[in-house]
Amino acid sequence: KAGVTQTPRYLIKTRGQQVTLSCSPISGHRSVSWYQQTPGQGLQFLFEYFSETQRNKGNFPGRFSGRQFSNSRSEMNVSTLELGDSALYLCASSFGQGPYEQYFGPGTRLTVT
Amino acid sequence: AQTVTQSQPEMSVQEAETVTLSCTYDTSESNYYLFWYKQPPSRQMILVIRQEAYKQQNATENRFSVNFQKAAKSFSLKISDSQLGDTAMYFCASSQGGSEKLVFGKGTKLTVNP
Repeated sequence: KAGVTQTPRYLIKTRGQQVTLSCSPISGHRSVSWYQQTPGQGLQFLFEYFSETQRNKGNFPGRFSGRQFSNSRSEMNVSTLELGDSALYLCASSFGQGPYEQYFGPGTRLTVT
Repeated sequence: AQTVTQSQPEMSVQEAETVTLSCTYDTSESNYYLFWYKQPPSRQMILVIRQEAYKQQNATENRFSVNFQKAAKSFSLKISDSQLGDTAMYFCASSQGGSEKLVFGKGTKLTVNP
């Protein structure tokens, strides 16, 4: 069974630009959650999607948005990038009727210069 | 709001010995779950062990076990017979029933020395 995949794995952007990250969950999983991991703030929840609906949202500014498609793949978008958005962005998938085990992807390392 | 606190930023243990990682949490919910996740260097985060708050029995998974003290809101992880492959960041996390949202502690960096 293929694991959670995230693309791209590494990304370098300039302040003010926007970026889109993609996450493909494990087959059969309907829930996708996104987390931001930084050395200072640790792991912080961004949002969760279940069956194309945002079910939970973390305490992040409106520049952070996401969506989920009918095949459960999810994207998150960050507009008007700031230096502080540099982080490892992790995606996790699950069946969505838990909480049960969430399976994490390898992450996308975003660097904003 | 849920909070999770890990008071040990770093720990080390000798191979084959036992180590305990501490975690305390706070929640107003009665239906919640607790987890320990492991993040090896440059590798993906994986679930180590899971505990339902309504279960009194402590969860165990092979060499990994927890000491769940509900009244004290404590959830420590014991690793027995430590192996070099146990070297990783360990995160304690909680979630509410019906939600996939995880609230993580800051993590404990565990190094197993040969």
